[in-house]
Amino acid sequence: SAVISQKPSRDICQRGTSLTIQCQVDSQVTMMFWYRQQPGQSLTLIATANQGSEATYESGFVIDKFPISRPNLTFSTLTVSNMSPEDSSIYLCSVEDGQETQYFGPGTRLLVL
Amino acid sequence: QKEVEQNSGPLSVPEGAIASLNCTYSDRGSQSFFWYRQYSGKSPELIMFIYSNGDKEDGRFTAQLNKASQYVSLLIRDSQPSDSATYLCAVNREDSSYKLIFGSGTRLLVRP
Repeated sequence: SAVISQKPSRDICQRGTSLTIQCQVDSQVTMMFWYRQQPGQSLTLIATANQGSEATYESGFVIDKFPISRPNLTFSTLTVSNMSPEDSSIYLCSVEDGQETQYFGPGTRLLVL
Repeated sequence: QKEVEQNSGPLSVPEGAIASLNCTYSDRGSQSFFWYRQYSGKSPELIMFIYSNGDKEDGRFTAQLNKASQYVSLLIRDSQPSDSATYLCAVNREDSSYKLIFGSGTRLLVRP
């Protein structure tokens, strides 16, 4: 499976600020995904990051709040904008291996004060 | 709304026993089924996937799928304390096969 890295691994931010999370893969992949995992909860899909086109967002998530970039087949960023304490969560990127199987990066732990 | 249901646990088993983790799903069109293991503070790690009805074995792990009953399970034989983790069941969405819906996870505790 692909090796996936995320930066930063964790951060503490003030409300009203924005944080950009990076996801890097060691091989070219078509599908990349961004998830949120709130404390004690399961994974919720935020959006699908498609190279060469706009990200597609799931119900309840909007581009203004979570802008996503996908400049090439090995990299994507997720920005959490105008943060509030409710955005405190683990943010995970994943890649799909072409056979509908997803592998996850190590995650970014975000705490908003 | 498409759902994946799991008992949150904790499921407590003694070392060496068989742990049985269960999952039901609502989307009858789902075709791909996955089990992920998540240690505390870590990201999910793929354990097994299964596409066809029946059993699929990989080492100490066996995935079982019954599409008619919309039921998928994971058996862990000879459970070890290192198996203690949260196990997430995931199924693909009928409307978008590469997207997954995750259950809330079952916490497994293996007692030494």
